[in-house]
Amino acid sequence: GAVVSQHPSRVICKSGTSVKIECRSLDFQATTMFWYRQFPKQSLMLMATSNEGSKATYEQGVEKDKFLINHASLTLSTLTVTSAHPEDSSFYICSAGTGRALVGYNEQFFGPGTRLTVL
Amino acid sequence: SQQGEEDPQALSIQEGENATMNCSYKTSINNLQWYRQNSGRGLVHLILIRSNEREKHSGRLRVTLDTSKKSSSLLITASRAADTASYFCATDRSYNTDKLIFGTGTRLQVFP
Repeated sequence: GAVVSQHPSRVICKSGTSVKIECRSLDFQATTMFWYRQFPKQSLMLMATSNEGSKATYEQGVEKDKFLINHASLTLSTLTVTSAHPEDSSFYICSAGTGRALVGYNEQFFGPGTRLTVL
Repeated sequence: SQQGEEDPQALSIQEGENATMNCSYKTSINNLQWYRQNSGRGLVHLILIRSNEREKHSGRLRVTLDTSKKSSSLLITASRAADTASYFCATDRSYNTDKLIFGTGTRLQVFP
């Protein structure tokens, strides 16, 4: 299957700082990338959907000024957690979609996740 | 919330036993997918079943779908300790959106 990487895999920062997480599709061009948040022992909650070259679409309740998403190319999307606070500590997972036209369904490949801890 | 529900929330079995996990969802769907997540890792796609299918097999996995009840089940036969992970269903509601809605997940523990 297609490979999606995330960097960093783990980050610890002080409250008030900003943290950038990168999501890359390594061997395919992703028409759409998705950002999820996962609390311990809970499910994935979609935060936003980003398409290359356009503004991200945020889910209800997700602060777009808090979680800045940039999808600069078909292989790279970034999530920046601005002015991070302890309640932002979570596991952030991205996925990259190949586009349903190829296989007839929403095929998404998931990155390995980034563990953010805000002190 | 549009999130689906899974049960049980946690399941512990011995190697060799079968594990059954259930997923219920709230809206009509195009497809339903099952994913596996090892602790602290990303998701791995296991199997997809389309809304017009009722059953699908892949190796030791068997998935059923009942659209009238808005439910699906994942059966893992002859489980192994390596099957220990969390399992999530995810629904794809329409061709007009790429979004997946994940269920609450089942944490499976398989003891050697």
